[in-house]
Amino acid sequence: AQRVTQPEKLLSVFKGAPVELKCNYSYSGSPELFWYVQYSRQRLQLLLRHISRESIKGFTADLNKGETSFHLKKPFAQEEDSAMYYCAQGYIFGTGTRLKVLA
Amino acid sequence: ETGVTQSPTHLIKTRGQQVTLRCSSQSGHNTVSWYQQALGQGPQFIFQYYREEENGRGNFPPRFSGLQFPNYSSELNVNALELDDSALYLCASSERRGPGNTIYFGEGSWLTVV
Repeated sequence: AQRVTQPEKLLSVFKGAPVELKCNYSYSGSPELFWYVQYSRQRLQLLLRHISRESIKGFTADLNKGETSFHLKKPFAQEEDSAMYYCAQGYIFGTGTRLKVLA
Repeated sequence: ETGVTQSPTHLIKTRGQQVTLRCSSQSGHNTVSWYQQALGQGPQFIFQYYREEENGRGNFPPRFSGLQFPNYSSELNVNALELDDSALYLCASSERRGPGNTIYFGEGSWLTVV
């Protein structure tokens, strides 16, 4: 069965530090990968998808088929990045990582 | 453009009862998916509806059923409620069916089963 793994429940970084949220997927075919974000008191929303290869709010995610990973990265974290982040492969979501950016 | 709306926002049911949750899809979207999100977990895919037909189903028992109407709104029905059904139920819509399409979520319906 397909599975998406986000190994960290909580990641705390200081403002201005680099951020990497890890995501590994299990499906070996051509994956449909997404990162969704949920800010405090807002609904879950798309952050980015692998097929578009774009940077949103300074975040990027690189697909590594060899390692079956789709880690989310940002070079300099901002306090407003604090949120819950979910990696998804198609309909399958990971358990999420809460990112806290400390002042 | 109207986003995905869900009702009710909160409800409490007794074990063994039945519940119906409702969802209006985003304007222009013909596909609706339902997810269950238990506390501390990610959303789990229940099923997807496209043009009034079920278009994919996750690992949920038959007592979870759905409907989609001609205006693309949708209902999730859960029969014989169990305590473990307590969760946030999310509806999401997309322009097209299939796992490669971006989905737009509603705010969810909180179900508590006592």
